[in-house]
This record gives sequence, structure tokens and C-alpha cells, in this order.
Amino acid sequence: GESVGLHLPTLSVQEGDNSIINCAYSNSASDYFIWYKQESGKGPQFIIDIRSNMDKRQGQRVTVLLNKTVKHLSLQIAATQPGDSAVYFCAENGRGTSYGKLTFGQGTILTVHP
Amino acid sequence: DAGVIQSPRHEVTEMGQEVTLRCKPISGHDYLFWYRQTMMRGLELLIYFNNNVPIDDSGMPEDRFSAKMPNASFSTLKIQPSEPRDSAVYFCASSAPSRGRTDTQYFGPGTRLTVL
Repeated sequence: GESVGLHLPTLSVQEGDNSIINCAYSNSASDYFIWYKQESGKGPQFIIDIRSNMDKRQGQRVTVLLNKTVKHLSLQIAATQPGDSAVYFCAENGRGTSYGKLTFGQGTILTVHP
Repeated sequence: DAGVIQSPRHEVTEMGQEVTLRCKPISGHDYLFWYRQTMMRGLELLIYFNNNVPIDDSGMPEDRFSAKMPNASFSTLKIQPSEPRDSAVYFCASSAPSRGRTDTQYFGPGTRLTVL
């Protein structure tokens, strides 16, 4: 059969709106989670992290929420700006598997319209 | 501090040629990772090292791919012979989880490889 590329989830927002990007993780033993931002032509860049003993962590304009019950992670971006347009990846450290290794999600494309 | 450094940034070669990608991790980091990113498969872990020793190379596609880390400040990923399907962006990342820091990996800018 014909191969197809990844169909990444997409989110389009207007400048100034708040954005919420979601991620479902797989390993209930994971105790550390990270959000990365990847702009076109660049490597993934660390945004914010959270440990499993926390439910929420805030940074500058970004908030990460962790729901361990349903293994769900979200990234909230306040007052989204055109410069926030990028692909966003969640990652988990998957404790119980290889130490030091991260498992990355497929990514979500965020497009911010001026 | 300098981040992860990769070279070259762009590489165009012909099928059958040998390609060598280079990486300098962040000083003090004891884990080094090589990833490949394509539109078809996303971000794939190829191999990673701890204290210069390969820990998991299960992501290396085939014997044409090899990676070395002769010292704590340098690693190479070699493809010989290269094929058009190897065209991708190759990222190197480093981290320092065993030194009381987090598992956060810091990525280099990547090498965009095109095999004609």
C-alpha cells in the first residue's frame, strides 16, 4: 500500500487567544514530563517540565497540567503570539524502561493568526 | 554556555557515498542521543550513550548506520553507504540525569541530510 506521512493534530488560534495543547502518555510509571517547542528548521527546544508529584506548574505565559489518573498532559499558552507558531511535543521519561531515555509524542502543530 | 553543537548543518551527497555527522554535547552532560526526524515517521531515537558507552542501539535502522563516542565531548553518526531513504534531519541531544539533574534533553540545531 501507499505510505502516508504523519497526520499531526493541528490547532489554529487568533493572536491574543489562549491555546491548549493536549497529550496522552503511555507509561503509568513515568515520573517526569516535558514539553518541547520545535520551530521550522530548528531543533526541539525545552519549554517547561513537571514531575509526577505535581498537578500543575507555571512558567512565563505557559502552564502544564498533569492528570495521572487518565495519563493526560496539557500545555496552556496564554495570550498566544505569532511567534508561538510551531510544533509542540510532549515527552515522558518512562521509568521502568531505559534510564535517561525519553519517549516523545507525535506532536501538535500550532498556528497563530495575527 | 554553548548548547549542543552539530556539524555540518546541511549535507547533500549522492547515493552510495559515506556520510559522517558530528556532535559536541553540552559540557558535563553524560548522556548523548541521536535522533532522526522525517515527515513520514516523526522523531525517532536511533541510539544513545551514557558515559561514552552505547546503551541502546535498537533504533538504528540497519548495519549501514554506526555511531561512536570516543570521548565525552564528541560523537559521530556514520552512514555507509548512504541511500535516498536516509534523507532526513538528524538531531543530537544531551542530558545529565545521573548528576542530580532532570531527564531534560537539550537538542542541537540538526543536520539536514539529502541523499540524491
